[in-house]
Amino acid sequence: NAGVTQTPKFRILKIGQSMTLQCAQDMNHNYMYWYRQDPGMGLKLIYYSVGAGITDKGEVPNGYNVSRSTTEDFPLRLELAAPSQTSVYFCASSYSRDNPTEAFFGQGTRLTVV
Amino acid sequence: DQQVKQNSPSLSVQEGRISILNCDYTNSMFDYFLWYKKYPAEGPTFLISISSIKDKNEDGRFTVFLNKSAKHLSLHIVPSQPGDSAVYFCAASEGSNYQLIWGAGTKLIIKP
Repeated sequence: NAGVTQTPKFRILKIGQSMTLQCAQDMNHNYMYWYRQDPGMGLKLIYYSVGAGITDKGEVPNGYNVSRSTTEDFPLRLELAAPSQTSVYFCASSYSRDNPTEAFFGQGTRLTVV
Repeated sequence: DQQVKQNSPSLSVQEGRISILNCDYTNSMFDYFLWYKKYPAEGPTFLISISSIKDKNEDGRFTVFLNKSAKHLSLHIVPSQPGDSAVYFCAASEGSNYQLIWGAGTKLIIKP
């Protein structure tokens, strides 16, 4: 049981480039989330999804896009990368309708934009 | 403005003693609080939670206390073990809002 799998683990992007961070979970969870963590800070929610075909903005959505075509996958798209998007990105999923915030996290993707 | 604050960036505790991690919040509408634990190069792991209708929740060596009037919660770990060395995050949510607001974390170091 792999849990939540994120790829890649590390990436360096040039300003203006685009990329997709992949996230897959094999636990049949309905809820999925993308967070970013900047140095010395807590996590901030970028986007979340309560099920296939449904996505919604979190606290810091600007510069990102998501899609949820299947229950398993929740990719995060960065268009026109900027240095401010240098961060560690975490994908998470949860199953509890009562406590959807008790989530399982992937190992993270460390992204540097230069 | 930080709605969830963990004012101690780090804490060092002797193995076998009690570790107490603190968290303060400013939004009185928060009604659900969680603690996550994070090891280096890994994602956070859910540890324990508490609803605002309770003032205490216990799970093995971990107990979370909530003081709503003071807008303060704390995580007690007894006894502390070397494997408890990690960064601990406090987080809070409001109603059916799925947006967790996170503190900056406290690095706990357990000394042998």
